[in-house]
Amino acid sequence: QKEVEQNSGPLSVPEGAIASLNCTYSDRGSQSFFWYRQYSGKSPELIMSIYSNGDKEDGRFTAQLNKASQYVSLLIRDSQPSDSATYLCAVNNGGAGANSKLTFGKGITLSVRP
Amino acid sequence: NAGVTQTPKFRILKIGQSMTLQCTQDMNHNYMYWYRQDPGMGLKLIYYSVGAGITDKGEVPNGYNVSRSTTEDFPLRLELAAPSQTSVYFCASSWNGYTFGSGTRLTVV
Repeated sequence: QKEVEQNSGPLSVPEGAIASLNCTYSDRGSQSFFWYRQYSGKSPELIMSIYSNGDKEDGRFTAQLNKASQYVSLLIRDSQPSDSATYLCAVNNGGAGANSKLTFGKGITLSVRP
Repeated sequence: NAGVTQTPKFRILKIGQSMTLQCTQDMNHNYMYWYRQDPGMGLKLIYYSVGAGITDKGEVPNGYNVSRSTTEDFPLRLELAAPSQTSVYFCASSWNGYTFGSGTRLTVV
């Protein structure tokens, strides 16, 4: 059974701080990694994808991938109250690329305190 | 551009009843998926399709059926509803990343 594990949370940070979200996965063959944000009562939306070891930055978000250690993380700089949501880590499960089946972690709820 | 449209948004079923959850996308995506989300449990893949006429089981297919007669439509069928199928159901299509529908909240009583 391919698994994706996320810290159980919830995570609370003050406004302006860096939020660090972590994820580990069991399948060494996984090639594509994603972070989704889900507001309460809404559907998940893709915020970051990463395919190669190292860092990928997009605005206030940075995804980090270490395939040797089988972890992927998401850093949110200058956290805002609007970042308060559940963040889902997803890893491809069969096939390559963004269209493959995904296995999702249980998610971690982030709360940004004003 | 509507993206992925799911209907209904909410439904209450009695045990043993049947229903179809509708999913339509207007992006001409070949890949489509059905997931269910239970509180605190992430998303579990029920069925997926890589194109019209092609479907396959995901992680939790028992109690469900799907069909894919067109690129646009990917309905999910529940034949004999059970309380364990109470969940939020998300349909998604994919081209270089998933686009999710708004979800169907189903309660079986």
